[in-house]
Amino acid sequence: AQTVTQSQPEMSVQEAETVTLSCTYDTSENNYYLFWYKQPPSRQMILVIRQEAYKQQNATENRFSVNFQKAAKSFSLKISDSQLGDTAMYFCAFMNSGANSKLTFGKGITLSVRP
Amino acid sequence: DAGVTQSPTHLIKTRGQHVTLRCSPISGHKSVSWYQQVLGQGPQFIFQYYEKEERGRGNFPDRFSARQFPNYSSELNVNALLLGDSALYLCASSLGDLLFRVKAFFGQGTRLTVV
Repeated sequence: AQTVTQSQPEMSVQEAETVTLSCTYDTSENNYYLFWYKQPPSRQMILVIRQEAYKQQNATENRFSVNFQKAAKSFSLKISDSQLGDTAMYFCAFMNSGANSKLTFGKGITLSVRP
Repeated sequence: DAGVTQSPTHLIKTRGQHVTLRCSPISGHKSVSWYQQVLGQGPQFIFQYYEKEERGRGNFPDRFSARQFPNYSSELNVNALLLGDSALYLCASSLGDLLFRVKAFFGQGTRLTVV
């Protein structure tokens, strides 16, 4: 079974600075997908960024980028130029490449951006 | 276009009762998944449906059941409610069952409180 671990329960960052959120996972699969989801107080899960395990290049989406280390099973999220609207819960998630499209989530981390 | 809509937004039930939660996917989306998010935890996979057929089931008791209708909307039913069923229930939709690995769109959830 796959597991996703987010060991930091919460983090705080000053507006306009950079913050990195950590995530590790465990799987015996070779092909899979990794995601970072944002959950603001509105409760709606919003996809931030997605990484395919067979791609060596780290995914980037504007101010968001990942550091994907497949051998170490590590998938961290870097948020540059933090904005007040980035304040939310962030969840790391895993999906294997098989027929079952089940997302396995970590426990999440609460990120607070200070003005 | 409307996003994924869930109803009701909040619900209070008594132990032993039955509850039905509803989800309308984004127009054109044929696959729906259900997740349970207990306070302070990441979402846990309950069910996935595609074209009215169950495509995946998480580790939940038989008290939990779901179905998908011809218009691709879905219902999650929980019988004999326990206090531990109190959670945010999230619905996600995607164009196809395997396209959850590309992007899943989540609703704002139904907050169920069992007293």
